[in-house]
Amino acid sequence: GQNIDQPTEMTATEGAIVQINCTYQTSGFNGLFWYQQHAGEAPTFLSYNVLDGLEEKGRFSSFLSRSKGYSYLLLKELQMKDSASYLCAVIPGTNDYKLSFGAGTTVTVRA
Amino acid sequence: DVKVTQSSRYLVKRTGEKVFLECVQDMDHENMFWYRQDPGLGLRLIYFSYDVKMKEKGDIPEGYSVSREKKERFSLILESASTNQTSMYLCASSPQNQETQYFGPGTRLLVL
Repeated sequence: GQNIDQPTEMTATEGAIVQINCTYQTSGFNGLFWYQQHAGEAPTFLSYNVLDGLEEKGRFSSFLSRSKGYSYLLLKELQMKDSASYLCAVIPGTNDYKLSFGAGTTVTVRA
Repeated sequence: DVKVTQSSRYLVKRTGEKVFLECVQDMDHENMFWYRQDPGLGLRLIYFSYDVKMKEKGDIPEGYSVSREKKERFSLILESASTNQTSMYLCASSPQNQETQYFGPGTRLLVL
C-alpha cells in the first residue's frame, strides 16, 4: 500500500508562517498535490509538484524533494480564512491518475 | 469554472437499503472518481472511471458498485447499506491526461 504521513493538527497566529510537512513512501511517483478543504466543503486544488524545488503561488508555496520522499506546504501571512484542512496527495502510478491521500492536517489560525 | 455536483448534501438511510449517490460534471472530463472521507483516514478511493461504461476498482471497493452510462454522470451504488458505510462521499473529475482533480461538495451519508 501507499504510505503518506502529515501532522494531524497545527495552530498558528494570524500574520505568522506555518509549514506543513508531508512524507511519502509509495510504489511509484508521478506528482504530488496539495489541496485545501474548509469544514463541510469540497477540497480545492492548491498546488502540484512533479519536479524537485519550490513552487510559489502568492502566499502559498510548495516544495518537493523526490529523493527524500518529502514535501511541504508553506503558508505565509496567515489569515483567519486559512483555517482549514490541508491534504497531501501523491500519484503513485505512471499510467493512471489515481491519487493516494494523507489523512490531512487541520490548521487553526488564531487572532 | 469546473462544476462538479452531487445529488444530495445529506442522506439518512437504513441498514440493508440500496443507496444511489449521483455525481455530475459539466466540463466534459473523461476521468471520474468516487472517494470516501473518514476522520484520521483521509480520502480513500472506492472506484474510478476513465470513460463511459468503463470502471476500475480503487482501494476499498467492497460493498460498492458504480455506473457510468453517460460521460458527465458517475453513480455510486451501495447495494445493501451497512452502518460502517456511514461517511462523507466525495466525487471528483479530471480531464484526460491531466492530473488535477476537481471535487464536488460531498454527500454526508448516515446509515442507521
